[in-house]
Amino acid sequence: DTAVSQTPKYLVTQMGNDKSIKCEQNLGHDTMYWYKQDSKKFLKIMFSYNNKELIINETVPNRFSPKSPDKAHLNLHINSLELGDSAVYFCASRKTGAGNEQFFGPGTRLTVL
Amino acid sequence: GDSVTQMEGPVTLSEEAFLTINCTYTATGYPSLFWYVQYPGEGLQLLLKATKADDKGSNKGFEATYRKETTSFHLEKGSVQVSDSAVYFCALSYGGATNKLIFGTGTLLAVQP
Repeated sequence: DTAVSQTPKYLVTQMGNDKSIKCEQNLGHDTMYWYKQDSKKFLKIMFSYNNKELIINETVPNRFSPKSPDKAHLNLHINSLELGDSAVYFCASRKTGAGNEQFFGPGTRLTVL
Repeated sequence: GDSVTQMEGPVTLSEEAFLTINCTYTATGYPSLFWYVQYPGEGLQLLLKATKADDKGSNKGFEATYRKETTSFHLEKGSVQVSDSAVYFCALSYGGATNKLIFGTGTLLAVQP
């Protein structure tokens, strides 16, 4: 059983398009995150939700909009895709108060042409 | 602000060699420290962690000690295997409601038979 899953695994699209990435966790966690990993493998936090409430919103273009319909899901919608959005996007989750460990999904590799 | 600095890779070793990957941090408070590992094509997995000064985290033969006086958390393993080839990330977080992870740039380890 996959703990943190992401769909799709790969996404290739044209500049200017709008796309979504989905994340689901079945660990019973209450906090979820989106991280971006660039071509040099550098990882940076983008957003976090706790119990469907946005708690971290780093300096990210407003073309990126997270949405958490419930505690088990955190989706990322990206409008007007740009070449620089090409990266691997990782979802992670954590249970508040149960240590600081975050559990990561397998990643979604987004390529913008 | 808080930051994590890791040694540049790639690190190339022969099987059974001794491994050290250096990690130093800058922190305004007293964070927890982590090592995450990313195997090719996969998401990140927690390798080990330490929550306070002088704590030693260990797992799968890897060790790291939280050194407040040198603000370091170096990763070591006495005898590496080919299966240890991966990218290793040092990270810190303060826990709490957000538990934002701040990552180093990652160090690629390649172990040759």
